[in-house]
Amino acid sequence: TQLLEQSPQFLSIQEGENLTVYCNSSSVFSSLQWYRQEPGEGPVLLVTVVTGGEVKKLKRLTFQFGDARKDSSLHITAAQPGDTGLYLCASPRYPKLVFGQGTRLTINP
Amino acid sequence: NAGVTQTPKFQVLKTGQSMTLQCAQDMNHNSMYWYRQDPGMGLRLIYYSASEGTTDKGEVPNGYNVSRLNKREFSLRLESAAPSQTSVYFCASSERGQPQHFGDGTRLSIL
Repeated sequence: TQLLEQSPQFLSIQEGENLTVYCNSSSVFSSLQWYRQEPGEGPVLLVTVVTGGEVKKLKRLTFQFGDARKDSSLHITAAQPGDTGLYLCASPRYPKLVFGQGTRLTINP
Repeated sequence: NAGVTQTPKFQVLKTGQSMTLQCAQDMNHNSMYWYRQDPGMGLRLIYYSASEGTTDKGEVPNGYNVSRLNKREFSLRLESAAPSQTSVYFCASSERGQPQHFGDGTRLSIL
């Protein structure tokens, strides 16, 4: 059962454009993690959001946690080719981690 | 800083063959996990071990077995490989309440 829905599944844009990807659930998250996975590698944690309404920034990446803690978004400003990869959201369900199906992002030079 | 090490990185098997995927972590984590990743499916949990000496089924355990050999090592075994098990397999480890650390995966093809 997929508890987390990510959209869009695929996104291809030009360098310099802005984009937003979404992660939604019908359940309340205790917290939410965002990972990035590059080709041939395992996922690597970008950020964890914990509090409803929380906003975290990581250089050009802005992560928001919804007030009701049922949704989250990742916004990238002025995308660069190095941002290309698979972006995964994940919700802890101790001792497990439940993943969304991912957004595959391609930034074209 | 090895983190999580998986071997082998690539493997091709024939239907019906068996093999074991190895995973070791050097971060002294209590919990370890095996996932498979298929296109459009994200990461699906096969088995996990919340602590040394325990293992539990995840979302897609059929056709697999695991062994938590010690705190560092967690292996995944395919007893009789099937084409449906062609996938990329990831091992991960973590401490309670902390993010998971992943290996670089094993790319497995079953012919």
